[in-house]
Amino acid sequence: EVQLVESGGGLVQPGRSLRLSCAASGFTFHNYAMHWVRQAPGKGLEWVSSIGWNSGSIGYADSVKGRFTISRDNAKTSLYLQMNSLSAEDTAFYYCTRSNGGYLFYYMDVWGKGTTVTVSS
Amino acid sequence: EIVLTQSPGTLSLSPGERAFLSCRASQSFDSNYLAWYQQKPGQAPRLLIYGASSRATGIPDKFSGSGSGTDFTLTISRLEPEDFAVYYCQQYGSSLTFGGGTKVEIK
Repeated sequence: EVQLVESGGGLVQPGRSLRLSCAASGFTFHNYAMHWVRQAPGKGLEWVSSIGWNSGSIGYADSVKGRFTISRDNAKTSLYLQMNSLSAEDTAFYYCTRSNGGYLFYYMDVWGKGTTVTVSS
Repeated sequence: EIVLTQSPGTLSLSPGERAFLSCRASQSFDSNYLAWYQQKPGQAPRLLIYGASSRATGIPDKFSGSGSGTDFTLTISRLEPEDFAVYYCQQYGSSLTFGGGTKVEIK
């Protein structure tokens, strides 16, 4: 079964850091680009970041550029999101998603259940 | 950045009716790289349509996508109780952006 399982979310104070992880299984991880998408409470979907199959291509939304870093470990079939200088605006449900293929910017055919990040003092 | 505007924000319909959801882009993008997703409360989004009109694996043919250039439409031919949800469009022709969503609610 194709599966993505996020972890690492929680309550964090403004200005602090948090690292999200996504464990992938059931497919050949290194063949696919991957993404992080977030959803603030009661709001719509917002693309956060994408990484190519070999980490050679990376993209960020302007709202997180310079603060968030996406990475992956193909040997561990895992995706990560290092989030620094967090603010209340980063409070959201964070989804790990799979690109349908190796293209950096593509549609997302598999979604994890997500993990909650709450930034509050 | 390509901005996607979805309308209406909320669509109130009865089971059995047909739904038309609109997604308009601020500029055209390559090859109709547009997808549609369905999200039910408490669940992750699910891919319905890609390439503007191709149904994803396992998606029933009551869902259809159309359009090109800057104007796209998701049509649900006969609404069933499980179709009442929020629908998002997403373009992947120039970076990635999502529309604001259309909620389809029971009238």
